[in-house]
Amino acid sequence: DTGVSQNPRHKITKRGQNVTFRCDPISEHNRLYWYRQTLGQGPEFLTYFQNEAQLEKSRLLSDRFSAERPKGSFSTLEIQRTEQGDSAMYLCASSLAGLAGVEQYFGPGTRLTVT
Amino acid sequence: QQQVKQSPQSLIVQKGGIPIINCAYENTAFDYFPWYQQFPGKGPALLIAIRPDVSEKKEGRFTISFNKSAKQFSLHIMDSQPGDSATYFCAASMAGFQKLVFGTGTRLLVSP
Repeated sequence: DTGVSQNPRHKITKRGQNVTFRCDPISEHNRLYWYRQTLGQGPEFLTYFQNEAQLEKSRLLSDRFSAERPKGSFSTLEIQRTEQGDSAMYLCASSLAGLAGVEQYFGPGTRLTVT
Repeated sequence: QQQVKQSPQSLIVQKGGIPIINCAYENTAFDYFPWYQQFPGKGPALLIAIRPDVSEKKEGRFTISFNKSAKQFSLHIMDSQPGDSATYFCAASMAGFQKLVFGTGTRLLVSP
């Protein structure tokens, strides 16, 4: 399968703990995005990378959130001091920059539950 | 102005029917409008997308109709099947910006 992969698929953590999620994009894609989706809502943009550079961050991305894409391939999203309001599905997407660059392909997501 | 308004919230049709899902936007800088299909526990899957220079696009049983003057676009699913039962999201993005702005979703149920 050459689609976007995310790990873990599910994460249960206690309030106050730190969590880290990983996303592996489609291999030739140089753009990578993180979105958050809560129950019954559409995905909301968090941040995106072109190669290693983080080019845009949403106001939703508080200082407890940090994302990296160190070598322009996989990316990690870390949430520090988790809160119950962080419970959501975290989705990663990738695309290829260029004329067709806006076609974003999503992974299966990581469902986070904060107890 | 960054919002995309989607309706209806839910929809039930019989097998073979043609469900229609509508979206409206205010920001005339939006220039790319995709539709995504999402099954429970899965990520959204890109179905079909359109740009404002065309009024209609078909891919298989899925058709997007686009009305630039009304700032509205809609998804039609021809000959709907029970396997089409899912949540559908419209989205939009602006030239030069990468983020997609999503609608709130429509839960479609196609009865056998």
